[in-house]
Amino acid sequence: GENVEQHPSTLSVQEGDSAVIKCTYSDSASNYFPWYKQELGKRPQLIIDIRSNVGEKKDQRIAVTLNKTAKHFSLHITETQPEDSAVYFCAASGILTGGGNKLTFGTGTQLKVEL
Amino acid sequence: EPEVTQTPSHQVTQMGQEVILRCVPISNHLYFYWYRQILGQKVEFLVSFYNNEISEKSEIFDDQFSVERPDGSNFTLKIRSTKLEDSAMYFCASKGAGPDTQYFGPGTRLTVL
Repeated sequence: GENVEQHPSTLSVQEGDSAVIKCTYSDSASNYFPWYKQELGKRPQLIIDIRSNVGEKKDQRIAVTLNKTAKHFSLHITETQPEDSAVYFCAASGILTGGGNKLTFGTGTQLKVEL
Repeated sequence: EPEVTQTPSHQVTQMGQEVILRCVPISNHLYFYWYRQILGQKVEFLVSFYNNEISEKSEIFDDQFSVERPDGSNFTLKIRSTKLEDSAMYFCASKGAGPDTQYFGPGTRLTVL
């Protein structure tokens, strides 16, 4: 089955700096790659996603890049703010017959934005 | 904006007891999921449900687990005989017919004593 690796496990940046989180996946059939932000004790919230027919997607300060050949994708946050502090999870899924596309999550990155 | 809801927010039970976790998916969604997250670890897939049947289940989802959509709005996860290692946060998620996006509920924290 699919295996998703995520690095780093913790990331500390100064406010205003950029943060990059990287993930690799194993199943070449995976075609959907969302990123979730999870604050302490809260639900995972989708912040951005990318499909395999696209190489890059941007939404304000957040961008995701996908390299299908290398099977890796990355989250880029620019101009970080204290409210960006949270755990970020990458995930991967493919489309199964019947549409039950389970998400396989990475191990998470604790991002801390320091003042 | 519609959201997935879950009840209860926290459930404490004795080992060996049955628990039922409840979810109300977003109303026009067709695909339903349960995930769990042991404290400090990643989110793990348990089961997906579509057209009133299980689409896929993980190794975690053994005979002690079952899911049901008893009416047009609720989606439940039952654990028949809880074990200490079932202690985790359980998230329900739902997805519409088109886009791939899964929306997560706030979770139920299950504590097995």
